[in-house]
Amino acid sequence: KQEVTQIPAALSVPEGENLVLNCSFTDSAIYNLQWFRQDPGKGLTSLLLIQSSQREQTSGRLNASLDKSSGRSTLYIAASQPGDSATYLCAVKDDYKLSFGAGTTVTVRA
Amino acid sequence: SAVISQKPSRDICQRGTSLTIQCQVDSQVTMMFWYRQQPGQSLTLIATANQGSEATYESGFVIDKFPISRPNLTFSTLTVSNMSPEDSSIYLCSVATGGSDQPQHFGDGTRLSIL
Repeated sequence: KQEVTQIPAALSVPEGENLVLNCSFTDSAIYNLQWFRQDPGKGLTSLLLIQSSQREQTSGRLNASLDKSSGRSTLYIAASQPGDSATYLCAVKDDYKLSFGAGTTVTVRA
Repeated sequence: SAVISQKPSRDICQRGTSLTIQCQVDSQVTMMFWYRQQPGQSLTLIATANQGSEATYESGFVIDKFPISRPNLTFSTLTVSNMSPEDSSIYLCSVATGGSDQPQHFGDGTRLSIL
């Protein structure tokens, strides 16, 4: 059974600081890994998708890396803004199923 | 990406009753899924909604408790039956529009509270 862990569970940073969010998974036989953002009372917004054959993926201020052999992914958010405050979830896909971590709740202080 | 609409967005129900949640997608999709997010926890897959056949349930979830319909490629319903306070959760519909190399997308969820 795939186990996904996200560390830290919560993070508070001043505006402008770079964010580093970690995700680890136990079974490296994955199709891809997806990072999501969840705002309070809302659903999930897909941020980045990294295929199992890729090492990283970038979108604007967001960069996600994947090391499948060690079962790790890292989401970097550059120059954080108060609007980045949310819970960030990583999910790994094996076959049809997404397995989620518990998330990292980020607060960016103005 | 697909636009997913869920109804209702939230509800407060009495224990012992049932509620049906609807999920409508603006385009035909190959796979539709139902997830549960219990308070303070992450998402857990309930079942895969299969068009024209019975849903495929994950371990710990049964059809009598969570009956699912998928009459076509753009619509699905999840019913939460005989509700108890432990069923208080966010229920989310998710779709996959292509193969395993495509992202999965989620609706805004249904926030359910059982008194």
